[in-house]
Order: sequence, then structure tokens, then C-alpha cells
Amino acid sequence: NAGVTQTPKFRILKIGQSMTLQCAQDMNHNYMYWYRQDPGMGLKLIYYSVGAGITDKGEVPNGYNVSRSTTEDFPLRLELAAPSQTSVYFCASRMKETQYFGPGTRLLVL
Amino acid sequence: DQQVKQNSPSLSVQEGRISILNCDYTNSMFDYFLWYKKYPAEGPTFLISISSIKDKNEDGRFTVFLNKSAKHLSLHIVPSQPGDSAVYFCAAESGGYQKVTFGIGTKLQVIP
Repeated sequence: NAGVTQTPKFRILKIGQSMTLQCAQDMNHNYMYWYRQDPGMGLKLIYYSVGAGITDKGEVPNGYNVSRSTTEDFPLRLELAAPSQTSVYFCASRMKETQYFGPGTRLLVL
Repeated sequence: DQQVKQNSPSLSVQEGRISILNCDYTNSMFDYFLWYKKYPAEGPTFLISISSIKDKNEDGRFTVFLNKSAKHLSLHIVPSQPGDSAVYFCAAESGGYQKVTFGIGTKLQVIP
């Protein structure tokens, strides 16, 4: 099993550009999450999904969108990138009490 | 408003000694608590958890203690090893798997 994979590893965006952060898991987990981690801060929940076709907002959803058309994939969309979205983004899936995290995507918005 | 607080940003411990990482929470609805470990350039990995109906959970060198009246939990690592050097996140949740609230982390350095 590859676990949770994220692409790209690193990306530089210009203000106003858009991009999709990809996340996939091969463990057949229903629950999936997107977090961001800013320097010196904990992980903040952006969006989560309890299964294909079902998503809901987390703590910091503004400026982001998600979709969940399959159990495996949970992409995160940034429509109009802003410097405040510079962060490291982690995707996770969950089985019971354990979340399994991907390696993260480092995003720099200039 | 930080609902999960880790007030020590860093901790240094000699190899072989005990490491104690602390976490406080404010939301009395939290009923499950977790510790995650994170190495640089990697995602967090689950370490140990505890339900609010327990006051202690042990897994090898790692023990988590929960004091509900004080809204405090701690992670004990005995004996500490250099490979334990990482950032440790305390996390808490309530009522299911929807949302987990993380603390800002404590960076542990175990000195050989």
C-alpha cells in the first residue's frame, strides 16, 4: 500500500492563480481531511469528507474548495491564490481513531 | 481561541531519561485525545491515544495520562531515545471522527 499520497510536493503560485492539490489514498478509508500548517502553528482543518459525495467545512475553509467523487481521491482547489495561503498542506485519511497523513505539499504564493 | 494548548514550544532531554510533554484543553466536550509525532518534511504519524473514560494508556515506551478535572494530559516517553527527536502534537476531538483540534506542537530534542 502506498498509503496517502500528495502531489505536488512543492509549488510556487502567483497571486490570483489557481491550482489543485491532489490527494489519494489506497486504504479504502471513508474519512478524509485537508489541513494546513502555518509556521509555529498547529494543523488547522480546512475541509473534510465522510465518504464519496459528502464534504463539509472545517475551521478555515475560505478560499478553498473540495470535491469527493471517489473514495480514493480528495482534491483541494485554490481558485484565487493569496499570500495568506502560503502554508504546508496535509491530506489525511482515517480508520477508527488513527489518521494517516500524506507527506504534505508546500505552497508559496507570491 | 486555542482549545488545545501546548505551552512548551521545545524540550531537551538526555538519552535514557524521561520526556514529559504536556497538553491542556479548554473544551469539556472533548472525549478522545491523541498524540502525533512529526519529523521534518514528513506528515504527522499517530503515536498513542486515550479515551476520556480512561486516565492512562500505555504502549511500549509511551504512556499518556489524562486528568479530566484539570483538563490536562501528558505524554511520557521512557526511556527517551535520539530517534524520538521530533515535534509532538496533542490533538482532541468530540462526538465522532469529523473534526480534530490540534495543538501547536512541542519540539523534543533527545541528546545522545
